[in-house]
Amino acid sequence: NAGVTQTPKFQVLKTGQSMTLQCAQDMNHNSMYWYRQDPGMGLRLIYYSASEGTTDKGEVPNGYNVSRLNKREFSLRLESAAPSQTSVYFCASSEVQGNTEAFFGQGTRLTVV
Amino acid sequence: GENVEQHPSTLSVQEGDSAVIKCTYSDSASNYFPWYKQELGKGPQLIIDIRSNVGEKKDQRIAVTLNKTAKHFSLHITETQPEDSAVYFCAADSNYQLIWGAGTKLIIKP
Repeated sequence: NAGVTQTPKFQVLKTGQSMTLQCAQDMNHNSMYWYRQDPGMGLRLIYYSASEGTTDKGEVPNGYNVSRLNKREFSLRLESAAPSQTSVYFCASSEVQGNTEAFFGQGTRLTVV
Repeated sequence: GENVEQHPSTLSVQEGDSAVIKCTYSDSASNYFPWYKQELGKGPQLIIDIRSNVGEKKDQRIAVTLNKTAKHFSLHITETQPEDSAVYFCAADSNYQLIWGAGTKLIIKP
């Protein structure tokens, strides 16, 4: 079982460039999430998808967009990258939203120069 | 909205001793309190969780206690081992989302 798979693992972007982070889960989970992790700040929710066909903003959505392509896949897009978006990004999934175990991918380390 | 505070930010203990990490939360409607362990270069992984109808839960060397009146919960690790070295996060649910503490880096000294 692969669990949650994120690509790429590392990326360097120039300011203003765009990119899409891909995430796929094979656990038939309904809910999926994108977090960013910055030193000393824990995990902050960017966007989530409670179920296929729905997406909602989390705590820090500005500068990002998401697409729930199907039940398995949830992508995060940076339209015009900024140095403030330098972070480690994690995708996660859970059976239902909120109060059940979340399974995380390995993370994407993004640097914007 | 919910605010989760976690202390200490770094904890260094001798191998074999116990470690305690504490979290407080603000939303009295929170009912689910998980603890995650993050090893270097990996995503967080659930190690134990507790729901509001339970005061304490144990799983081998780890235990979590919850005081809903005081709005705090704690992670206890006994007989610490080198493989316990990691960053630990607490979280609390609020409006169907998890709000996370800032993390505690646990260092096990040989």
